[in-house]
Amino acid sequence: NAGVTQTPKFRVLKTGQSMTLLCAQDMNHEYMYWYRQDPGMGLRLIHYSVGEGTTAKGEVPDGYNVSRLKKQNFLLGLESAAPSQTSVYFCASSWDPMNTGELFFGEGSRLTVL
Amino acid sequence: AQKITQTQPGMFVQEKEAVTLDCTYDTSDPSYGLFWYKQPSSGEMIFLIYQGSYDQQNATEGRYSLNFQKARKSANLVISASQLGDSAMYFCAMEDSNYQLIWGAGTKLIIKP
Repeated sequence: NAGVTQTPKFRVLKTGQSMTLLCAQDMNHEYMYWYRQDPGMGLRLIHYSVGEGTTAKGEVPDGYNVSRLKKQNFLLGLESAAPSQTSVYFCASSWDPMNTGELFFGEGSRLTVL
Repeated sequence: AQKITQTQPGMFVQEKEAVTLDCTYDTSDPSYGLFWYKQPSSGEMIFLIYQGSYDQQNATEGRYSLNFQKARKSANLVISASQLGDSAMYFCAMEDSNYQLIWGAGTKLIIKP
């Protein structure tokens, strides 16, 4: 089972460039999340989705956009990358976190903005 | 606003000893979930244990148990008989009824042989 797959795993961007991170899950999960993790800190929620066609802002949404056109995919976009967006990005999914208690994470995507 | 606090940036523990990792939380939401995750140096996030706010008993998963004290708003992780492979970052997190997961800053646990 693939579980949660993130692509790309590494990327270097110049300031002002745009890119999209793709998260794909094959577990038919309703809920999907995008987090960022900076050194010495826990994860911070960027955006999340509670079902196909829905998205919502998390704790640090500025500078990012998301889309959930298909249930299995959750895309994170950076329209104009900034050095402050250098981070490790994690995607996660779950069936119903309040009942099962488990989020399934991708392996992370390391983004560097120069 | 919801908040998770992990007061121990780092801990050293002798192999085979039990270890308690502290986590306190703040929320006014009556319904919430508490999680612990492990992040080894390889970077992946590994789910350890979950406690729902209405669960009457403390959650246990193998060597992991969660010491849930609702009145004190604490959800400490207890690892019994620690092993060298337990060396990692440990994160406490809380999810409220709005599906947002708030994470603590983590505790770096090092198990000494």
